Amino acid sequence: LAKTTQPISMDSYEGQEVNITCSHNNIATNDYITWYQQFPSQGPRFIIQGYKTKVTNEVASLFIPADRKSSTLSLPRVSLSDTAVYYCLVGDISGTYKYIFGTGTRLKVLA
Amino acid sequence: EAQVTQNPRYLITVTGKKLTVTCSQNMNHEYMSWYRQDPGLGLRQIYYSMNVEVTDKGDVPEGYKVSRKEKRNFPLILESPSPNQTSLYFCASSPGQGKVRSYNSPLHFGNGTRLTVT
Repeated sequence: LAKTTQPISMDSYEGQEVNITCSHNNIATNDYITWYQQFPSQGPRFIIQGYKTKVTNEVASLFIPADRKSSTLSLPRVSLSDTAVYYCLVGDISGTYKYIFGTGTRLKVLA
Repeated sequence: EAQVTQNPRYLITVTGKKLTVTCSQNMNHEYMSWYRQDPGLGLRQIYYSMNVEVTDKGDVPEGYKVSRKEKRNFPLILESPSPNQTSLYFCASSPGQGKVRSYNSPLHFGNGTRLTVT
């Protein structure tokens, strides 16, 4: 089954760019990579999704190298409200329909 | 408003007393799933359902049951709860396309149910 590996935690200061990398060595050919954001006591919320190269939306960018064995979520100019846990998610390779979340990266933005 | 609704938000119960956590979505999604979240372990999938009457085990199904009699509802049943099932539970749904893999469609999560079993 596809497993993701992310740093457990990161600290940053307001206004900085934050990059969170996720490793997913067993990603399947047709799988997309999806990132979610979770605030305490709330359900995760979709941030961005991509298949290869670069995707950008109004809140983040997602960089995926050609081999797709990793991906990097980039948050430009973070603010205190970006303090949350960020999860990288890929589909599994066994042909089932399981979503496998990693343990996530706890981002703390400091003033 | 498009949403996934879980009830109750908080539940305290005793060992062995059967309980049901309800989950309902109003987006006509085919795919629904349940997760539990524990400190240091992230989100772990309990059960999922690709469509009505189609359910399958996730990573941690022991001690749980589910049913999918209608597209919009996916209740989680604990027949005999135990203290190790104390956790934060999330229901999620996504559009799906029948038998086509639906995990490329983003998940929509409910706000969670905090369960305590004493």
